[in-house]
Amino acid sequence: SAVISQKPSRDICQRGTSLTIQCQVDSQVTMMFWYRQQPGQSLTLIATANQGSEATYESGFVIDKFPISRPNLTFSTLTVSNMSPEDSSIYLCSVLGQGNEQYFGPGTRLTVT
Amino acid sequence: QKEVEQDPGPLSVPEGAIVSLNCTYSNSAFQYFMWYRQYSRKGPELLMYTYSSGNKEDGRFTAQVDKSSKYISLFIRDSQPSDSATYLCAIWGADKLIFGTGTRLQVFP
Repeated sequence: SAVISQKPSRDICQRGTSLTIQCQVDSQVTMMFWYRQQPGQSLTLIATANQGSEATYESGFVIDKFPISRPNLTFSTLTVSNMSPEDSSIYLCSVLGQGNEQYFGPGTRLTVT
Repeated sequence: QKEVEQDPGPLSVPEGAIVSLNCTYSNSAFQYFMWYRQYSRKGPELLMYTYSSGNKEDGRFTAQVDKSSKYISLFIRDSQPSDSATYLCAIWGADKLIFGTGTRLQVFP
């Protein structure tokens, strides 16, 4: 399994600002994923981030709003840009294991006021 | 039709009960099946991972896959209050993990 950390663990931000969430893994991984989980809901995939290529975004998510960086095999960032209260959610990064299983970080709880 | 369907519950059982959690899926090409446990305010934790039809056991947990019926189950034996959490089934398909809505389980002493 992989050990994943995220920073910050939580934040309260004002409308119109941006927040960058960091995800660090204790081993090299090819595929990393970013998810959003709204209160009481299941997980929604935002994008897939492979090292050395542009992130692939799911329907309803765009790069201008959620830019992603993947500079190496152990690190990624997700930026939530020009935030609105509708962006209040938990943001989770995850990595793909050797057998298509996925491991998740602890999440970043974002509140936009 | 959703690709993965899961009863959201909530499910409330007494300590020591056997719990059965279930999901159905629509695409027979799906091959990798996972169960996650998520405590409140935590990230999902991988509990069980199976590839083929049949049973896989790990301690008090048994994952069952029936590909002919497109049905997956998670059984928890001798349930404990510490098992109270949301359980999510997830299936790998089309290069991504597809989640069920999650079932909230409450085990009371």
